Amino acid sequence: DARVTQTPRHKVTEMGQEVTMRCQPILGHNTVFWYRQTMMQGLELLAYFRNRAPLDDSGMPKDRFSAEMPDATLATLKIQPSEPRDSAVYFCASDDEGTYEQYFGPGTRLTVT
Amino acid sequence: AQSVTQPDIHITVSEGASLELRCNYSYGATPYLFWYVQSPGQGLQLLLKYFSGDTLVQGIKGFEAEFKRSQSSFNLRKPSVHWSDAAEYFCAVGEWAAGNKLTFGGGTRVLVKP
Repeated sequence: DARVTQTPRHKVTEMGQEVTMRCQPILGHNTVFWYRQTMMQGLELLAYFRNRAPLDDSGMPKDRFSAEMPDATLATLKIQPSEPRDSAVYFCASDDEGTYEQYFGPGTRLTVT
Repeated sequence: AQSVTQPDIHITVSEGASLELRCNYSYGATPYLFWYVQSPGQGLQLLLKYFSGDTLVQGIKGFEAEFKRSQSSFNLRKPSVHWSDAAEYFCAVGEWAAGNKLTFGGGTRVLVKP
């Protein structure tokens, strides 16, 4: 049963620290998305990649957030420096360009104190 | 820009009763439409999707949705809910020209009474 995996599942950190979240997309999926979910804003698209190239990162605060795909099996989302307002659940999703069905990982719950 | 509205933030339904969740979208072209379900502490799971063709689409877990272009709606239904259907449900529109970038509605939380 192919799944998107995300690590860590939970992260508590202090303001100003660097946070790195990792995602392993489903093998063979060529598009990877990063979303953020908060009570106030709901689900927001931060950035996405196709064939490891960034397609759109307009939803991401550029001064502190960065997203990369070092290879086809790993996507990373970094926050440096982190702030309390970054506290949220961050989801990664991947899809096969042919089906347009996005499969979501379990999320990383980030708490910045 | 596309947008999705889910007018009901919470819905409470009795087990065995029918359920209908509303979704209205705004999109300039023919939309790709999706319904996802999120159980507490979990990621989102795709219930069903509409791309074209038959406007009544069947999904997993006994759900169906009907696309009505004239009303810009894509409502989700289930004839008889089970306690395990308690979750949050999200409608989304996909911008296919931009690599299926999804815009989500605010979600509807469904509570199931015994």
